[in-house]
Amino acid sequence: GQNIDQPTEMTATEGAIVQINCTYQTSGFNGLFWYQQHAGEAPTFLSYNVLDGLEEKGRFSSFLSRSKGYSYLLLKELQMKDSASYLCAVYDSNYQLIWGAGTKLIIKP
Amino acid sequence: GAGVSQSPRYKVAKRGQDVALRCDPISGHVSLFWYQQALGQGPEFLTYFQNEAQLDKSGLPSDRFFAERPEGSVSTLKIQRTQQEDSAVYLCASSLGAEQHIYEQYFGPGTRLTVT
Repeated sequence: GQNIDQPTEMTATEGAIVQINCTYQTSGFNGLFWYQQHAGEAPTFLSYNVLDGLEEKGRFSSFLSRSKGYSYLLLKELQMKDSASYLCAVYDSNYQLIWGAGTKLIIKP
Repeated sequence: GAGVSQSPRYKVAKRGQDVALRCDPISGHVSLFWYQQALGQGPEFLTYFQNEAQLDKSGLPSDRFFAERPEGSVSTLKIQRTQQEDSAVYLCASSLGAEQHIYEQYFGPGTRLTVT
């Protein structure tokens, strides 16, 4: 079967750095997305990785290792507004987007 | 410009009722997706349209679920004879191109369906 694993919940302090990991086992791989979802709101796009390596975009960076079936989202200089769920999603060989359950990130002052 | 909109935002239905959920994608977006998201879970794919053509409906959980996009813009997800297990948030997303894997998906706020 297809599976995407992420921690259920993480807690971090305002101003700090946090890394949210995602591992996947899918039938094929055609790219990995990270989305942010605030409670009761729509998911919003953060990043897309299809090649190995680190993609940096402001305070957020995303890393991919296809050989390990692994990605992480790195958030720097955490702000209270970063409290949200972070969803990892993978395109499989049929270009169907398979979603993880999300990681709820709690930021404390 | 305007994002993806969905209506209603909240819907309470009695078990056995039919419901219709509407999605207005971003103007000009070719691809449209419907997802079901249970509380504390990630979205689960239901169906995909490219313009008015429904190219993938493999995620629809039963024949009680039906989706259409007759003119290639607005889409409606219909659920007949609703059951309690249908309670979830139904998300609609659209993306710019026909190559669905290339373009990021823009999500609407969702319709929270509660079946009592």
